[in-house]
Amino acid sequence: AQSVTQLGSHVSVSEGALVLLRCNYSSSVPPYLFWYVQYPNQGLQLLLKYTSAATLVKGINGFEAEFKKSETSFHLTKPSAHMSDAAEYFCAVSESGGYQKVTFGTGTKLQVIP
Amino acid sequence: KAGVTQTPRYLIKTRGQQVTLSCSPISGHRSVSWYQQTPGQGLQFLFEYFSETQRNKGNFPGRFSGRQFSNSRSEMNVSTLELGDSALYLCASLGGPGVRNTEAFFGQGTRLTVV
Repeated sequence: AQSVTQLGSHVSVSEGALVLLRCNYSSSVPPYLFWYVQYPNQGLQLLLKYTSAATLVKGINGFEAEFKKSETSFHLTKPSAHMSDAAEYFCAVSESGGYQKVTFGTGTKLQVIP
Repeated sequence: KAGVTQTPRYLIKTRGQQVTLSCSPISGHRSVSWYQQTPGQGLQFLFEYFSETQRNKGNFPGRFSGRQFSNSRSEMNVSTLELGDSALYLCASLGGPGVRNTEAFFGQGTRLTVV
């Protein structure tokens, strides 16, 4: 069975500071991993995805994430936070193979302080 | 190509009524999943359809049902609405089995308010 744990339901950073959102996964097979962002009253938008190619994945809006198998982690980072980054972020896992069921974490709300 | 389309975007219903929400996946995608999102419970999986068959179901009462048509469009129905059913209902479209590197593409959701 697959699962995702996001540490910290709320994270606050100052504008210009490093953003670090934590995600740990559990999967019985090599996983696909995703980060999604959600703005108020909107659907989820894909930020980036890991699909067993490079372990450091670059996404949109300056975000990146590193897949660390030994730590079963897929933390999301951005060097310098911008006010527009304030949103809710979801980590998700899907087991590679024929049937893709996506399991989401509980989400982390990012607040950016001016 | 067009994204995932959910209709309506907003809906207000009275307790006891029923409601039907619609989702049109990305053209060529055969899998549609539904999620309920609330402030207290987060994103909860409702069910997933592929080729008109329900393959997975979350832990929701039987009042929540769905179906998928031959053109992959999906509907979900909630009967005997309760106040707690107020939520953002999200539909996700996936390519389906055998499609590698597939992520879920989401619609903008239907905001259901039960009064």
